[in-house]
Amino acid sequence: NAGVTQTPKFQVLKTGQSMTLQCAQDMNHNSMYWYRQDPGMGLRLIYYSASEGTTDKGEVPNGYNVSRLNKREFSLRLESAAPSQTSVYFCASRGSAGTTYGANVLTFGAGSRLTVL
Amino acid sequence: EDQVTQSPEALRLQEGESSSLNCSYTVSGLRGLFWYRQDPGKGPEFLFTLYSAGEEKEKERLKATLTKKESFLHITAPKPEDSATYLCAVQENWDSSYKLIFGSGTRLLVRP
Repeated sequence: NAGVTQTPKFQVLKTGQSMTLQCAQDMNHNSMYWYRQDPGMGLRLIYYSASEGTTDKGEVPNGYNVSRLNKREFSLRLESAAPSQTSVYFCASRGSAGTTYGANVLTFGAGSRLTVL
Repeated sequence: EDQVTQSPEALRLQEGESSSLNCSYTVSGLRGLFWYRQDPGKGPEFLFTLYSAGEEKEKERLKATLTKKESFLHITAPKPEDSATYLCAVQENWDSSYKLIFGSGTRLLVRP
């Protein structure tokens, strides 16, 4: 099924450990995004990639790095995890004109729940 | 500061009891307003896009409307399967970044 796939679904880290969240989409979308979702707060943009080969900071980029590996894949890396990074992380890709929902609609993955102890 | 506020934070309805969710926004120039549905443990799922004041969109028991300062998601005769968190988001600019500002959501529970 077409969509956005995230791995892992769950992860527990100790403070200072590093890890990479993986995201892949098979809808041939150009733009991809990483959000975090915390209780009582809206989704906040961490980083985005408007097209293959480009990445830019969003609202809350500190402590994170990203790689747009190719058109399909966009990974998020935590170099030295902190308890404040405990959250649910969502990857999304943006449709373009002519796709199922049309331009400017985000398709989200199922999320990666990260706990940092 | 640009922001999006959703109310109420939580809403409990009896099956068949119609109601409305509110999304108010303060941005310098609205380019699009989006409604998403999020089920527990899943990612948000697209519902509607509204672009201009006066626009309305419908899907089954849901109807979204837009004014210059707010949007409403009307739920008519809800069923238990409508229970979810409903998120709204606004897009301020037409540029390559496509940065959306999300509200914190309304958790809807429909009891049988």
